[in-house]
Amino acid sequence: GPKVLQIPSHQIIDMGQMVTLNCDPVSNHLYFYWYKQILGQQMEFLVNFYNGKVMEKSKLFKDQFSVERPDGSYFTLKIQPTALEDSAVYFCASSSGTVSNERLFFGHGTKLSVL
Amino acid sequence: QQKVQQSPESLIVPEGGMASLNCTFSDRNSQYFWWYRQHSGEGPKALMSIFSNGDKKEGRFTAHLNKASLHVSLHIKDSQPSDSALYFCAVSGSGSWQLIFGSGTQLTVMP
Repeated sequence: GPKVLQIPSHQIIDMGQMVTLNCDPVSNHLYFYWYKQILGQQMEFLVNFYNGKVMEKSKLFKDQFSVERPDGSYFTLKIQPTALEDSAVYFCASSSGTVSNERLFFGHGTKLSVL
Repeated sequence: QQKVQQSPESLIVPEGGMASLNCTFSDRNSQYFWWYRQHSGEGPKALMSIFSNGDKKEGRFTAHLNKASLHVSLHIKDSQPSDSALYFCAVSGSGSWQLIFGSGTQLTVMP
């Protein structure tokens, strides 16, 4: 089936540094998402992105967070600067339509460890 | 702000048994409901959707929706060890770009 690839699978960085998480979405998908999962529990919505713009974001999407997908390349989540509470697994997802009628396809996640 | 709660937190059923998972949501304008399953080390994968009140069956999986009581459930018949995973209910409303996930139910099917 369709696959979403996330690179890297694990990233360890020092608090205060910048980190970029990369996502290669399903090729013909138009809608992109980031979710945050802590301790293998609840999936927390961060942001969704369509047509080059952030359409909706949650309170967890702090000012230090940004997303972009320049010219159809990777969909990225950048955190600058990082904080200890940013340690989590970040999942990228994509879909061909809106969340109302199209399923999201998720990657395997990037585990971010902030020391 | 939409709240999606799932129960039980964890569930153990014998192989071949029935697993019943529950989900309540707070926003009466919610319209679209999904069940996702996450195996360890992977991302969630969509199992099925339900948009209308009543039952929807897909193979061994049956979803039930009652919008008036703000409740959606998933029933897994003839459970298999491979069904052992974290199950999420996910909800979105009209005009929303967000898919809100519930707290999850950890299902273990014992051989």
